[in-house]
Amino acid sequence: GDSVTQMEGPVTLSEEAFLTINCTYTATGYPSLFWYVQYPGEGLQLLLKATKADDKGSNKGFEATYRKETTSFHLEKGSVQVSDSAVYFCALSAPGGSYIPTFGRGTSLIVHP
Amino acid sequence: EAGVAQSPRYKIIEKRQSVAFWCNPISGHATLYWYQQILGQGPKLLIQFQNNGVVDDSQLPKDRFSAERLKGVDSTLKIQPAKLEDSAVYLCASSLDLGRATEAFFGQGTRLTVV
Repeated sequence: GDSVTQMEGPVTLSEEAFLTINCTYTATGYPSLFWYVQYPGEGLQLLLKATKADDKGSNKGFEATYRKETTSFHLEKGSVQVSDSAVYFCALSAPGGSYIPTFGRGTSLIVHP
Repeated sequence: EAGVAQSPRYKIIEKRQSVAFWCNPISGHATLYWYQQILGQGPKLLIQFQNNGVVDDSQLPKDRFSAERLKGVDSTLKIQPAKLEDSAVYLCASSLDLGRATEAFFGQGTRLTVV
C-alpha cells in the first residue's frame, strides 16, 4: 500500500541554520505530495504541496521539490527561526489509495535562539 | 471562515468505559476523515465519509469503534468499550471533495487517555 517514510527526529538547530527534513514515498499511481505542520497546541495545517514531477511547493520560506526519480519530497528552509519549532508531517494522496491522505510519522524540529 | 471544530479537547476514562467524540467540519466540505494519532506516530486513518456515506473504514476496529455522519455534516466517533491502547489523539479533518490535490483541514483533536 501507499506509505511515507520520514527522517526521525528531533532535529535540533540554532536560529538561522539550514534545515532539511527527508521524506520518501511509495505509492500506486501518480501521487500528490504534501507537507503539513503542527505547532504546539494546534491542529495540523498545510504548509505546501506539489502535484506533479519537478514541481516545487513553497510557503513561509520552506520549499520542497517533487522528485519522481528518487520518490522523494524533502523539506528545506535556508534560515530557520525559533517560531518554526513544530512537528512536520510529510503526506501523499494517490489514486490507489482513493486519494485518502497518508501521513509519515512526523519529524519534530526544535530551533534554539 | 470557521475551522473544523472538535469536542471535547481532553478526555480521561477508565478501560471498558465508553466515550464519544464530536466533529463539525468546515461548511460545504463533503469529505470528512477521522484519524487516530498515537504519541510519536503519524495520523492513521480510521474512517472516511463522503457526504453521509462511508468511503473507507478498513482500518476501523469495528468490534469497538463506530462512527456516523448524519445528514452529511456533523460526525461522531464512539469507542465502546475502551482499551488502554486506545489512548491517542483523535483528529477530525475535512476537505472540499475527494481529489489528488485536495487539502485536508484539521481540527485541534481530542486527546484521550484510558487508565
